[in-house]
Amino acid sequence: GQSLEQPSEVTAVEGAIVQINCTYQTSGFYGLSWYQQHDGGAPTFLSYNGLDGLEETGRFSSFLSRSDSYGYLLLQELQMKDSASYFCAVRETDKLIFGTGTRLQVFP
Amino acid sequence: DTAVSQTPKYLVTQMGNDKSIKCEQNLGHDTMYWYKQDSKKFLKIMFSYNNKELIINETVPNRFSPKSPDKAHLNLHINSLELGDSAVYFCASSQSGSRNYEQYFGPGTRLTVT
Repeated sequence: GQSLEQPSEVTAVEGAIVQINCTYQTSGFYGLSWYQQHDGGAPTFLSYNGLDGLEETGRFSSFLSRSDSYGYLLLQELQMKDSASYFCAVRETDKLIFGTGTRLQVFP
Repeated sequence: DTAVSQTPKYLVTQMGNDKSIKCEQNLGHDTMYWYKQDSKKFLKIMFSYNNKELIINETVPNRFSPKSPDKAHLNLHINSLELGDSAVYFCASSQSGSRNYEQYFGPGTRLTVT
């Protein structure tokens, strides 16, 4: 079967660094995407790892280890506006399978 | 300019009714999707179309019928609505093939069935 596990909630303060982990078990795997969703909003694409290693996009970085079926999203210099839900998503041939989501709360 | 748009944004209706949600994208993408997000924020794919052809049907009840008149539009018709259909429905689009990891979502349609 397919499963993606993420922590349900993470809290941090402004300016801090936070890591959101994602472990997966799927029948087919081509890569791992990350999406951000603010309350009442739509998911928006953040990052993608098709190969092992670290991808950096501004304050956000994403990491993938295929051998460990594991990835993470790293958010640096946290800002209040980063409070949102974050989803990892496994890319299969024709579709994305989304994880359960991690709610990040950033406090001043 | 809106990339992926959906109408309506809110839909409140009674059990047993039939309703439709419309989606349009102006990104020139070949592939469009319908997702359902439940109250626990679990986001699950329902359908995908590539160039008007159905690619994915994720064991969705046949009360749900997608239609793609052209590659820029994907509509969702729901018959005989049930309480469990209450959710937020998102349309999304992407380039086909190897770039389907980057999907652009519409603003969502919050469906409430009473």
